[in-house]
Amino acid sequence: GIQVEQSPPDLILQEGANSTLRCNFSDSVNNLQWFHQNPWGQLINLFYIPSGTKQNGRLSATTVATERYSLLYISSSQTTDSGVYFCAVAGTASKLTFGTGTRLQVTL
Amino acid sequence: ETGVTQTPRHLVMGMTNKKSLKCEQHLGHNAMYWYKQSAKKPLELMFVYSLEERVENNSVPSRFSPECPNSSHLFLHLHTLQPEDSALYLCASSQDFGYEQYFGPGTRLTVT
Repeated sequence: GIQVEQSPPDLILQEGANSTLRCNFSDSVNNLQWFHQNPWGQLINLFYIPSGTKQNGRLSATTVATERYSLLYISSSQTTDSGVYFCAVAGTASKLTFGTGTRLQVTL
Repeated sequence: ETGVTQTPRHLVMGMTNKKSLKCEQHLGHNAMYWYKQSAKKPLELMFVYSLEERVENNSVPSRFSPECPNSSHLFLHLHTLQPEDSALYLCASSQDFGYEQYFGPGTRLTVT
């Protein structure tokens, strides 16, 4: 099956800093999603982005499908951005394969 | 976000109990999924249903039994679980395969 690697595994930022999270995947994908998991376990959809670039407020994402990676940019980070960020991909099958996540902590 | 709801949110059960987890989606989607998130492991897919038909069983032990009575509801019946089954169980739905998946808030299960 598809392998998904996320980096870095942990990230500590001061409020106001910018960051880039990376997701590498091992095969062609039809679906790529970025999620933020809050402390209560809820997975919040950030982007559905199998290719191209999207922006939503302080967040943006880019997927370069031909090179099998995706990047999530967080600008002007806030303490509410803390949590775990997951990348998940699916090929021709229905199965979403998740990476191990990036744990982000934003401090004052 | 109330597109996908799950009940109960927390469940503690003994190894000899039988319980059920419920998921309901209000998005008009055709596909529904059960995922398991254990401590220090990636989320892993358990079951996939499309139009009420099970299309994937990801090598899940028989003590977990899914049921999809209609395209809006998905159940996970639990019996004779083990302590290692303690985890966060997440339900998701999508318009169809390959489309964006939306997740419920999860049921945090503890098996004693």
